[in-house]
Amino acid sequence: EAQVTQNPRYLITVTGKKLTVTCSQNMNHEYMSWYRQDPGLGLRQIYYSMNVEVTDKGDVPEGYKVSRKEKRNFPLILESPSPNQTSLYFCASSFQRQVGDGELFFGEGSRLTVL
Amino acid sequence: GENVEQHPSTLSVQEGDSAVIKCTYSDSASNYFPWYKQELGKGPQLIIDIRSNVGEKKDQRIAVTLNKTAKHFSLHITETQPEDSAVYFCAASRGNYGGSQGNLIFGKGTKLSVKP
Repeated sequence: EAQVTQNPRYLITVTGKKLTVTCSQNMNHEYMSWYRQDPGLGLRQIYYSMNVEVTDKGDVPEGYKVSRKEKRNFPLILESPSPNQTSLYFCASSFQRQVGDGELFFGEGSRLTVL
Repeated sequence: GENVEQHPSTLSVQEGDSAVIKCTYSDSASNYFPWYKQELGKGPQLIIDIRSNVGEKKDQRIAVTLNKTAKHFSLHITETQPEDSAVYFCAASRGNYGGSQGNLIFGKGTKLSVKP
């Protein structure tokens, strides 16, 4: 089954404790991206990757890191989480055959709470 | 910077009525406009999209219209059903700014409730 898998789905952590949210897709997509969803703010892009070893900042990259060592995986790293990073996080992937093209396939989301 | 405004933020309709959600965008280079539906506890899913060379597109009970001159596009759902209840997001592709070419800017979402 074609899917984007995120883990963990739910996490409660404390300020400053490094954490990684994993994302894996089995559709051989070039493009992958991370979004955060907050009430009243919609979906905001954190980082994206056009292909292996190519990553770039989105609209709200502060406090986050990513890596794209393999095509299928795109982990989101919070080196020192703070309470303002409490949010619902989505990973997404796409073929991105041309500019602006490509249905985004989203994972089921990871709800993170930072105390 | 680029922006997508979406209205209304909440919408309640009776089953069988029509629902309309409107979005405006600021980037004149945007050329791709998808709509995503997010059901409770799930990730968003694409339901329909339109490109800048087309004014209208229909898929069964849903349709999208685009007015490039006015920079706005709308989602129309006819004969609404309870299973249409969800959060709907519009989006617009970015132009060639800062290397983010092809990325999407999302609106803030509309929570649609269809009452049986």
